[in-house]
Amino acid sequence: QSALTQPASVSGSPGQTITISCTGTSSDVGGYKYVSWYQQHPGKAPKLMVYEVSIRPSGGSDRFSGSKSANTASLTISGLQPEDEADYYCSSYTSRNTLVFGGGTRVTVL
Amino acid sequence: EVQLVESGGGLVQPGGSLRLSCAASGFTFSDFWMSWVRQAPGKGLEWVGKIKKDGSEKYYVDSVKGRFTISRENDKNSLYLQMNSLRAEDTAVYYCARGGYNLLWGQGTQVTVSS
Repeated sequence: QSALTQPASVSGSPGQTITISCTGTSSDVGGYKYVSWYQQHPGKAPKLMVYEVSIRPSGGSDRFSGSKSANTASLTISGLQPEDEADYYCSSYTSRNTLVFGGGTRVTVL
Repeated sequence: EVQLVESGGGLVQPGGSLRLSCAASGFTFSDFWMSWVRQAPGKGLEWVGKIKKDGSEKYYVDSVKGRFTISRENDKNSLYLQMNSLRAEDTAVYYCARGGYNLLWGQGTQVTVSS
């Protein structure tokens, strides 16, 4: 069960828009709509930001949006804010009825 | 409000056993799959396994198959992770999470495997 591929780091200035990619295979990302994104601040538990590719949980910020094309999912953060600085992880349901995570992306607000 | 509180972590020697518990509240526990996810120091998230609403199906990551067992008691709103034959590489924060693929997380409990 290979991890999904994410860039190690992405950065942007306040107010900018950034995108984090998450690449898998047809057996996970490409085959199902069950892609989620999580935000994790240092020393804290992960927080669900987007699920089923593009759905935001109730009360979630509309600056976070998700999409998918073929075997690659993406998380876009618009209007970047200092509190967005964190680690972000994607996950996907797989053909083996398991879950696989990406390696994580560190977002830095310049 | 969904609350998940893990307990049972600690220091254990290689080859030893530990049982983690997760107390759930704020939702109908028996309506949801439940999962365990771990995070080694300075590393990313690793899915450990999940259990169906009624406990009839369980799935695990290959690295823990045959060593870890997930169980639940719906009448006690509780989830468990029995960990046997522990190895140094099992050292991590272990999170309990509601759901099978859209996860809501507890705060985690630290497990350290060391002599």
